[in-house]
Amino acid sequence: EAGVVQSPRYKIIEKKQPVAFWCNPISGHNTLYWYLQNLGQGPELLIRYENEEAVDDSQLPKDRFSAERLKGVDSTLKIQPAELGDSAVYLCASSYPGTGELFFGEGSRLTVL
Amino acid sequence: AQSVSQHNHHVILSEAASLELGCNYSYGGTVNLFWYVQYPGQHLQLLLKYFSGDPLVKGIKGFEAEFIKSKFSFNLRKPSVQWSDTAEYFCAVRILGYSTLTFGKGTMLLVSP
Repeated sequence: EAGVVQSPRYKIIEKKQPVAFWCNPISGHNTLYWYLQNLGQGPELLIRYENEEAVDDSQLPKDRFSAERLKGVDSTLKIQPAELGDSAVYLCASSYPGTGELFFGEGSRLTVL
Repeated sequence: AQSVSQHNHHVILSEAASLELGCNYSYGGTVNLFWYVQYPGQHLQLLLKYFSGDPLVKGIKGFEAEFIKSKFSFNLRKPSVQWSDTAEYFCAVRILGYSTLTFGKGTMLLVSP
């Protein structure tokens, strides 16, 4: 069974530039999460989808961050414009609804210069 | 909102030493509890989980954890660590009925050969 796939693995951009991350969850997993992991910290939820509906986006900084999951499968997280403080690892995870057992991708490490 | 506290940010042990990593959570209701592990260069993966029943749960690679409801704790243990256990360990909690996991800040374990 293929795991959660994320791309790119690494991205270096200058501040004020846009960046996008892509995630393909495990087949059949209706719930998709984007988490942010800063250095030395645990993952923090940005947004959770149930199918194509964003059901928890209270922690997503909506002035510069956006996400979509148009067909209820893969998802894109965008930052525009990026700031220095956005340097972090962006994790995507998926699960069956209600199980709470998350399967994570390898993450996308963003460096903003 | 619930929070998760992990007592030690860094732990250094010699091979064959016993391990106990502390985890406390703040929510007073029914929760599911998880320990995730992240080996160097790899994605987060589930080590073990507690949903209900026997409060002593066993996971992969000889790890176990004990849920003590009165102490709001879910400590991770292993009787004899190996060099290959070097990794970062994250405790996570899920409120029953919700899909989102809240993570602790993690404990970096270094096992010296």
